[in-house]
Amino acid sequence: NAGVMQNPRHLVRRRGQEARLRCSPMKGHSHVYWYRQLPEEGLKFMVYLQKENIIDESGMPKERFSAEFPKEGPSILRIQQVVRGDSAAYFCASSPLPSGQETQYFGPGTRLLVL
Amino acid sequence: AQSVTQLGSHVSVSEGALVLLRCNYSSSVPPYLFWYVQYPNQGLQLLLKYTTGATLVKGINGFEAEFKKSETSFHLTKPSAHMSDAAEYFCAVSDRNTGFQKLVFGTGTRLLVSP
Repeated sequence: NAGVMQNPRHLVRRRGQEARLRCSPMKGHSHVYWYRQLPEEGLKFMVYLQKENIIDESGMPKERFSAEFPKEGPSILRIQQVVRGDSAAYFCASSPLPSGQETQYFGPGTRLLVL
Repeated sequence: AQSVTQLGSHVSVSEGALVLLRCNYSSSVPPYLFWYVQYPNQGLQLLLKYTTGATLVKGINGFEAEFKKSETSFHLTKPSAHMSDAAEYFCAVSDRNTGFQKLVFGTGTRLLVSP
């Protein structure tokens, strides 16, 4: 059973460009979570999605950031007009049921560098 | 609001010595508690978790942690460190107030193991 997959693993963008990060959850998992890890910090929750629904986006910046999890295909985290402060590692996690006692399984992350 | 405090951003031990990584949390309701390990440039791997029941929890790679409600602590221990244990360790909490949906992480403790 393949784990959570994220691509690209590394992404370099210039200021003002768009970044698109993809996450394919584990097989059978329909719950996806995105976290951001700034340098020398712990992970911070961004958004929780189920198929075609955003359940909790309380951790998402109000502007420039959006997320989706369509019926078919991977979950996408999109950052428009990137700034240097967006440089971070972005991790996706998935679970088969709403997380609680269920473990969240993490992908390897996408490391975004904004020049 | 939930928060997690990990005392010591770096902990150094000799191979074969006891490993003790500290984690204290604040939560207004009984929490679920987790320890994750992160190896360089990789995602997070679950070491162990406490949800309900026995307060001493055993995890992978010889690690264990004890939930102490009176001390609001969930310290991670391993009797004898191995070189392969060198990594970053994150304590995390979730609780009913957030529907157990999001994990709140500490800032991490980097474990260094010397020969």
